[in-house]
Amino acid sequence: AQSVTQPDIHITVSEGASLELRCNYSYGATPYLFWYVQSPGQGLQLLLKYFSGDTLVQGIKGFEAEFKRSQSSFNLRKPSVHWSDAAEYFCAVVNPNTGNQFYFGTGTSLTVIP
Amino acid sequence: DAGVTQSPTHLIKTRGQHVTLRCSPISGHKSVSWYQQVLGQGPQFIFQYYEKEERGRGNFPDRFSARQFPNYSSELNVNALLLGDSALYLCASSYRTASQISNYRYTFGSGTRLTVV
Repeated sequence: AQSVTQPDIHITVSEGASLELRCNYSYGATPYLFWYVQSPGQGLQLLLKYFSGDTLVQGIKGFEAEFKRSQSSFNLRKPSVHWSDAAEYFCAVVNPNTGNQFYFGTGTSLTVIP
Repeated sequence: DAGVTQSPTHLIKTRGQHVTLRCSPISGHKSVSWYQQVLGQGPQFIFQYYEKEERGRGNFPDRFSARQFPNYSSELNVNALLLGDSALYLCASSYRTASQISNYRYTFGSGTRLTVV
């Protein structure tokens, strides 16, 4: 069965600092991989996705993520964090063969300090 | 395009009651999925419907049911509510089933916040 681990429950960074949010998945092959962001009381907004090909993917709001098959990881990065990036971030996987459901991690809460 | 619309946005129910949540997908989208997000957790898959047929079911009790209408809107029903059913219920729509996800456009609504007291 698929599963997603986000080891960091909460991260605090200073505005302008770089950010990396970790995501590890468990799946027999390469799943489809996603990062979503959720502001308080809101739904989920897609930041970026990986299906195949180039392992470094670019997303919205200056985010990028790198797929590393050997480490079963799909870490999210941003070179310079803005105060508006404070939110909850979720990594998710989908089985490419069945594709019926997303498996989400438990999320990482990001706080940005001035 | 209008986004995924969910109603109501908030509601409060008493234990043992029944609740119906509604979702209108993006125009042209034929698949609707439901997720439950308990506070502090990631969303968990409940159901997926495509062309009015159930295409996937998560690990939820039979108290949870859903259906999809000819206009592709959907309802999630929960019977005999428990305190543990308090959560944000998210609906997501996509043009096709996720097995065709390479053409993917999978969009979440803002959710319905259900509180059971």
